[in-house]
Amino acid sequence: AQSVTQLGSHVSVSEGALVLLRCNYSSSVPPYLFWYVQYPNQGLQLLLKYTSAATLVKGINGFEAEFKKSETSFHLTKPSAHMSDAAEYFCAVSDPTGGFKTIFGAGTRLFVKA
Amino acid sequence: EAGVTQSPTHLIKTRGQQATLRCSPISGHTSVYWYQQALGLGLQFLLWYDEGEERNRGNFPPRFSGRQFPNYSSELNVNALELEDSALYLCASSLGAGGPDEQFFGPGTRLTVL
Repeated sequence: AQSVTQLGSHVSVSEGALVLLRCNYSSSVPPYLFWYVQYPNQGLQLLLKYTSAATLVKGINGFEAEFKKSETSFHLTKPSAHMSDAAEYFCAVSDPTGGFKTIFGAGTRLFVKA
Repeated sequence: EAGVTQSPTHLIKTRGQQATLRCSPISGHTSVYWYQQALGLGLQFLLWYDEGEERNRGNFPPRFSGRQFPNYSSELNVNALELEDSALYLCASSLGAGGPDEQFFGPGTRLTVL
């Protein structure tokens, strides 16, 4: 069965600093992986997704993530944080053998300091 | 193109009552997902409907139920409400089962149980 672990429920960075949000997954087969963002009082919005093409995936708002099979990781990065990046970020895994049921991680809240 | 819509935006009920939440997917999407987002508990998968059938359900008691109508809209019913049912309920839609489709989320219904 697939699962997702997001390391760190809260991450705080200074404006202009590197953003690194960690995600590790467990899946019996190569999974599909997603990062979603949730701004306050809103639903989730897709940032990027990995579906077995290029291992480095670029998303919206300058975010990218790298699929590393050997580490079963799909960490989300952004070179320079902006105040508007403050939100909650969810990593999700979809297992093709599980009928593509999507499992979400617990989420990481990103704080950006001025 | 209209996004996923949910109604009502807010719902206030008392213990023991029933709540009905509604979701309209994006036109052309046949899959509808329901999630519960309680404070501090992340996104918990509730139900997944596709083509009018329940495809999967999360680890929730039977008093959480739902259905999907021929027009692919969906209803979530919560019977015998308990205080801990207070949460944001998110609906998402996707193109359909059988692929790693992105889920598009609605803004949610905030359920408060007094």
